[in-house]
Amino acid sequence: IAGITQAPTSQILAAGRRMTLRCTQDMRHNAMYWYRQDLGLGLRLIHYSNTAGTTGKGEVPDGYSVSRANTDDFPLTLASAVPSQTSVYFCASSASESTDTQYFGPGTRLTVL
Amino acid sequence: GQNIDQPTEMTATEGAIVQINCTYQTSGFNGLFWYQQHAGEAPTFLSYNVLDGLEEKGRFSSFLSRSKGYSYLLLKELQMKDSASYLCAAMDSNYQLIWGAGTKLIIKP
Repeated sequence: IAGITQAPTSQILAAGRRMTLRCTQDMRHNAMYWYRQDLGLGLRLIHYSNTAGTTGKGEVPDGYSVSRANTDDFPLTLASAVPSQTSVYFCASSASESTDTQYFGPGTRLTVL
Repeated sequence: GQNIDQPTEMTATEGAIVQINCTYQTSGFNGLFWYQQHAGEAPTFLSYNVLDGLEEKGRFSSFLSRSKGYSYLLLKELQMKDSASYLCAAMDSNYQLIWGAGTKLIIKP
């Protein structure tokens, strides 16, 4: 059982390019999340999904979009990358959107030049 | 506003005890989580408190005081592998986690 996988592991991207970060979980968790982690700041929620077919905006959603076509996959898309989106991106999942523990993927390190 | 405060960095000696404090202010409260994050890796779950008091789990214990908006993580018998960042996160009324910036714990032999 892999848990949560993310791809790519790292990426260098030119500003203005479109990029999709992939996230897949095999735990049949209903809820999934995308966070970004920047030095000196706590994890910040970008978007979340409480169940397949629904999504919601987190604290910092601008410039990002998500979809949840099925239970397992939760891709994050940057439509036109900007340097301020340079960060480490973590995908997480939990059994439900309540107080269940969130489990994290290994992260994607994204650099936008 | 919602806010989590924890020290930026702490240093302790192998074999000793260290306490990492966290204060929080959230809109509603559905519990306090602690995660461990080694450099370059993902956060991993350590503990969850929703009731006041101390929860012990092996060498790690976590305490919560809801009236004071305060929690701490206690690490005993420190080992070199405990060198990591420790993240405090409070869950608000919308079941969203509000994260602190993390406390980097340095263990010296």
